[in-house]
Amino acid sequence: AQTVTQSQPEMSVQEAETVTLSCTYDTSESDYYLFWYKQPPSRQMILVIRQEAYKQQNATENRFSVNFQKAAKSFSLKISDSQLGDAAMYFCAYRSRAGGTSYGKLTFGQGTILTVHP
Amino acid sequence: NAGVTQTPKFRILKIGQSMTLQCTQDMNHNYMYWYRQDPGMGLKLIYYSVGAGITDKGEVPNGYNVSRSTTEDFPLRLELAAPSQTSVYFCASSQGLAGVETQYFGPGTRLLVL
Repeated sequence: AQTVTQSQPEMSVQEAETVTLSCTYDTSESDYYLFWYKQPPSRQMILVIRQEAYKQQNATENRFSVNFQKAAKSFSLKISDSQLGDAAMYFCAYRSRAGGTSYGKLTFGQGTILTVHP
Repeated sequence: NAGVTQTPKFRILKIGQSMTLQCTQDMNHNYMYWYRQDPGMGLKLIYYSVGAGITDKGEVPNGYNVSRSTTEDFPLRLELAAPSQTSVYFCASSQGLAGVETQYFGPGTRLLVL
């Protein structure tokens, strides 16, 4: 079974600065997807960024980028030019690309609470 | 476009009571999921469905039941509520095609069992 670990329960950053959230995972599979979800106080889960394991290039979405290290099984999220609206709980998630009835299930980490100071 | 909707938003149950959490999606997605999120924790999969009439257990299925009679609806049933089921419940859906499909989440149902 796959596991996802976020070792930082809480992080804080000053507005306009850069912060990196860590995520490691354990899997025996070679093909999979990794995601970062944001959960603001409204509790709605919002997809921030996703990475396909077979792609060596790190995914980027505007101010959000990842550092994907497949051999180390590490998937960190970098938020540049942090904004007050970035304050939320961030979850790292894993999804197998294998077929069968397990297809599509997400395994989540414990989450990291990000505080943005003005 | 409503996406994934869940009702109710909040509910208080007494121990031993039953209830059904409703989930509907209007995106014609094949895959639907139920997760629970305990305080300060990530989401854990309860049940999922790969299409109408097909459901399967996730990580934490005990105490719950599901059905999938239509593509749009995926209700979650709690038969005998227990305090351990106090949690926030999220329904999600995805198209399920090959590729990096996005799971779309509903707004969640907060359940308190006393």
